[in-house]
Amino acid sequence: AQSVTQLDSQVPVFEEAPVELRCNYSSSVSVYLFWYVQYPNQGLQLLLKYLSGSTLVKGINGFEAEFNKSQTSFHLRKPSVHISDTAEYFCAVSSTSGTYKYIFGTGTRLKVLA
Amino acid sequence: DAGVTQSPTHLIKTRGQQVTLRCSPISGHKSVSWYQQVLGQGPQFIFQYYEKEERGRGNFPDRFSARQFPNYSSELNVNALLLGDSALYLCAVGSGTTYETQYFGPGTRLLVL
Repeated sequence: AQSVTQLDSQVPVFEEAPVELRCNYSSSVSVYLFWYVQYPNQGLQLLLKYLSGSTLVKGINGFEAEFNKSQTSFHLRKPSVHISDTAEYFCAVSSTSGTYKYIFGTGTRLKVLA
Repeated sequence: DAGVTQSPTHLIKTRGQQVTLRCSPISGHKSVSWYQQVLGQGPQFIFQYYEKEERGRGNFPDRFSARQFPNYSSELNVNALLLGDSALYLCAVGSGTTYETQYFGPGTRLLVL
């Protein structure tokens, strides 16, 4: 079984400042890792994913994440945020075999302040 | 969202009623998954179908059922609605193979009164 922990329920940050959204996971099997963004009253949009290979993954809108197997983490970062980045961010894992269901964290609300 | 469509966008039902939600994937995506997202929480896995067969089921009661059609579209049915079924229901599609990435639709917001 897998589980995902997003330690921060809310992260306020000023515009143009850097941000890191934390994600830790637990799994007894190999996993794929994902970050999704959800804007108000919308579905989920894929930001980036780690399937294999390089542990530093770059995604859309200037976001990147680093897979750390020893620390079972997949933190999301952006060097300079914009007002438009205000949204809910979800980290998710899925097993590399069998049912490719996603296990989501509870989400982190990023609020970018002017 | 890779062109995934869901209908209806919003729905209001009363307790005890039944509801059917629909999902239309884009071409080439043979797996469809359903998730329930209660306000303030992350999505919870309900079902996954691949090639019209159920491949996985989450911890939801038998009031929830689903099916996938030959064109890979899908329906989620919920019987005997409870107030706690009020949520955003998300459909996600994928290739159904290794390295699968799921693409989500905009969701159907269900309110049970």
